[in-house]
Amino acid sequence: GAVVSQHPSWVICKSGTSVKIECRSLDFQATTMFWYRQFPKQSLMLMATSNEGSKATYEQGVEKDKFLINHASLTLSTLTVTSAHPEDSSFYICSARDSGGADEQYFGPGTRLTVT
Amino acid sequence: QKEVEQNSGPLSVPEGAIASLNCTYSDRVSQSFFWYRQYSGKSPELIMSIYSNGDKEDGRFTAQLNKASQYVSLLIRDSQPSDSATYLCAVNNNYKLSFGAGTTVTVRA
Repeated sequence: GAVVSQHPSWVICKSGTSVKIECRSLDFQATTMFWYRQFPKQSLMLMATSNEGSKATYEQGVEKDKFLINHASLTLSTLTVTSAHPEDSSFYICSARDSGGADEQYFGPGTRLTVT
Repeated sequence: QKEVEQNSGPLSVPEGAIASLNCTYSDRVSQSFFWYRQYSGKSPELIMSIYSNGDKEDGRFTAQLNKASQYVSLLIRDSQPSDSATYLCAVNNNYKLSFGAGTTVTVRA
């Protein structure tokens, strides 16, 4: 149980284009999902908290107009990186909190984004 | 002061030995604590959660929590080469996880 999927697993895009990443909880409902970014040899940095049916809450320093988050159902959250630049190249990981469980968060496999 | 601090490592242990990982946190009201394992290039995998003071054992892993000292640890017994990874300590604050920088463990065969 507690499986979270992400799609795509990796993506290469050109500077100035937008990329959408999907995060799905496969066997549980998640009213709350989280989006992280991780640069090489660094720890995870929380970007935003995604709440089903409401606006996402962004961490300080994260541009909400650049990183669009939609959490339209209890099993799906999407992150769209708009007008991507090379400095947005990173490992993007989502996690989901089981609405019916304790406080554990389960991570998706991550999406490696390269902007050329 | 960082919210969650871990012993920096890297930690190298021989196969079969015990690996000991330490973590301290700053927010006294935190109630839930987690250890994640992250292999290079992969996402974190939850290996232990602990909510009450004392020890919690799961297979070769034992987590220890001392809320008075704001300290949580992870012991890996009978370390195997497959345990070589970065271990992340995470503390729950209002459903958001604060992560330590991680401790990289290498188990020598």
